[in-house]
Amino acid sequence: DQQVKQNSPSLSVQEGRISILNCDYTNSMFDYFLWYKKYPAEGPTFLISISSIKDKNEDGRFTVFLNKSAKHLSLHIVPSQPGDSAVYFCAASPWGAGSYQLTFGKGTKLSVIP
Amino acid sequence: EAQVTQNPRYLITVTGKKLTVTCSQNMNHEYMSWYRQDPGLGLRQIYYSMNVEVTDKGDVPEGYKVSRKEKRNFPLILESPSPNQTSLYFCASSFGQGRYEQYFGPGTRLTVT
Repeated sequence: DQQVKQNSPSLSVQEGRISILNCDYTNSMFDYFLWYKKYPAEGPTFLISISSIKDKNEDGRFTVFLNKSAKHLSLHIVPSQPGDSAVYFCAASPWGAGSYQLTFGKGTKLSVIP
Repeated sequence: EAQVTQNPRYLITVTGKKLTVTCSQNMNHEYMSWYRQDPGLGLRQIYYSMNVEVTDKGDVPEGYKVSRKEKRNFPLILESPSPNQTSLYFCASSFGQGRYEQYFGPGTRLTVT
């Protein structure tokens, strides 16, 4: 049973526009959520995170929104740049587990078209 | 430079020939973990370690072994590799204890024929 779902395998966006990547989860015990970015031939790198006590967290061009009632989070990238082209993974951790139990989604490949 | 290193980066081997993939971190992190990435399946945790001599199974531990004799090293051992273990492997580390962000190594591409 997939507990973290990224239903869009790929997304194409024009440079300068907004990219919205979505993630749904099923486990009510998840209380901390992270986004990772992965370029080919490299390991994933941490991008941004959000705790369940918040509904929004912003870091420069990246904003993550959390809707706990819908068990849904999204990553907004504004404005999108060609260097943002990568695979984005959503990850979630249950309360109290810290980083020991990160569950990842399957990833969404973002292509930003110049 | 703070980093997680893995060796080898690429490995082609045959079924049944024991192999070890090394992982080392220089950030004094308590927590280390191994993941495999397969097309359409994302990242799945194999094993993790909360500290020296403390290891536990992740979601897909079958066919793998790990050890944590030193804080900085966390090798992944395949005693008898099989073709279904052909995958891209990542080692990761973090401070643990409420620090959720994990730092990943560059990956090891393993092919078992």
